[in-house]
Amino acid sequence: AQKVTQAQTEISVVEKEDVTLDCVYETRDTTYYLFWYKQPPSGELVFLIRRNSFDEQNEISGRYSWNFQKSTSSFNFTITASQVVDSAVYFCALSEERYGGSQGNLIFGKGTKLSVKP
Amino acid sequence: DSGVTQTPKHLITATGQRVTLRCSPRSGDLSVYWYQQSLDQGLQFLIQYYNGEERAKGNILERFSAQQFPDLHSELNLSSLELGDSALYFCASSVTIGFQSGNTIYFGEGSWLTVV
Repeated sequence: AQKVTQAQTEISVVEKEDVTLDCVYETRDTTYYLFWYKQPPSGELVFLIRRNSFDEQNEISGRYSWNFQKSTSSFNFTITASQVVDSAVYFCALSEERYGGSQGNLIFGKGTKLSVKP
Repeated sequence: DSGVTQTPKHLITATGQRVTLRCSPRSGDLSVYWYQQSLDQGLQFLIQYYNGEERAKGNILERFSAQQFPDLHSELNLSSLELGDSALYFCASSVTIGFQSGNTIYFGEGSWLTVV
């Protein structure tokens, strides 16, 4: 069965600290897709990144970076030099490909609430 | 702004009532998804449509139904509402189904439903 675990329920840091949000997933499929979404206090879900299971290359986008490790079934997200505007709930999500085509829907973790204090 | 439009943004209704949530996908997107976010269940996939046809079903209650119209907008109908149906309902859209071709799901701002 597919599952996404975000063990950190809440994290609080002071501005300019680096912070890593953990995501561990479970799947029996060899082809799958991983995502991170951000939910600021206003409530909308904002897409951040997607990663294919066959692409283990890490990615950096400004202050954001993602570390994908198939060996540990993890897809961790690091924010460098955090800012108050980074305060939000961050969700990791998984989608599997099966029966010759992806179901196209996402299984979300419970989310990690990040609070960045000035 | 993701380009996915949902109305209404907020809705308060009484138990036993019926409501309809509306969604306009991003321009060019053929696939529409509905998700429910509640405190106890988290974010859950409800149902997916692609070009007017139901494609996948998740944890959607029988009291809930959805459809996608020829102009690709979608509606989620919630009936015989209970207190536990209070949640944030998201609509999302993508160009196609599956993620093989770089397809990504973009979410709207959600519709806050409060059942009193």
